[in-house]
Amino acid sequence: GQQLNQSPQSMFIQEGEDVSMNCTSSSIFNTWLWYKQDPGEGPVLLIALYKAGELTSNGRLTAQFGITRKDSFLNISASIPSDVGIYFCAGRVKTSYDKVIFGPGTSLSVIP
Amino acid sequence: EAQVTQNPRYLITVTGKKLTVTCSQNMNHEYMSWYRQDPGLGLRQIYYSMNVEVTDKGDVPEGYKVSRKEKRNFPLILESPSPNQTSLYFCASSLFDNYEQYFGPGTRLTVT
Repeated sequence: GQQLNQSPQSMFIQEGEDVSMNCTSSSIFNTWLWYKQDPGEGPVLLIALYKAGELTSNGRLTAQFGITRKDSFLNISASIPSDVGIYFCAGRVKTSYDKVIFGPGTSLSVIP
Repeated sequence: EAQVTQNPRYLITVTGKKLTVTCSQNMNHEYMSWYRQDPGLGLRQIYYSMNVEVTDKGDVPEGYKVSRKEKRNFPLILESPSPNQTSLYFCASSLFDNYEQYFGPGTRLTVT
């Protein structure tokens, strides 16, 4: 079945640094989604990408939908302490319904 | 306020004792879904519902039941919980299956 791989698994960075994480799969997806999960809460959608090659920004966040439709990356510029959390990529694929498959997550820690 | 609520937030129980985790949304969403989150595995879909009285299995349905008698509620039922069902559970809803999903705050279940 479809599986997503995320790297890195975890990262510890200094406040103010830029962050880059990516998501890959052997399967093709027609939508890529990036979620953030704060400790003790449910995931919240950060960015949605609908077209191969699409580059989308949301404040300090930038994400791209890979040309092959099998990967996506998320960049965070000038990290701040509230960026701490788990970042999940997810791909949407059409089966009998529009199914969303989640990656295992990247845990981000920001050192003030 | 538009939201997805889950109860209880924390539950410790014993093997074999039936339990129900409730989920309710106030956004008139058609699509609802249950996920479990385990370390290193991300979120895996248990069951989903496209509308009232329409439910179907996700990727990990064994040991779980659901019902959708009303649009706003989608309870998750564990008839005979086992320790391997110890996990963090999330309910989510969206207008339709191809729209953004809103997640509840999560229910942490421990089965001893």
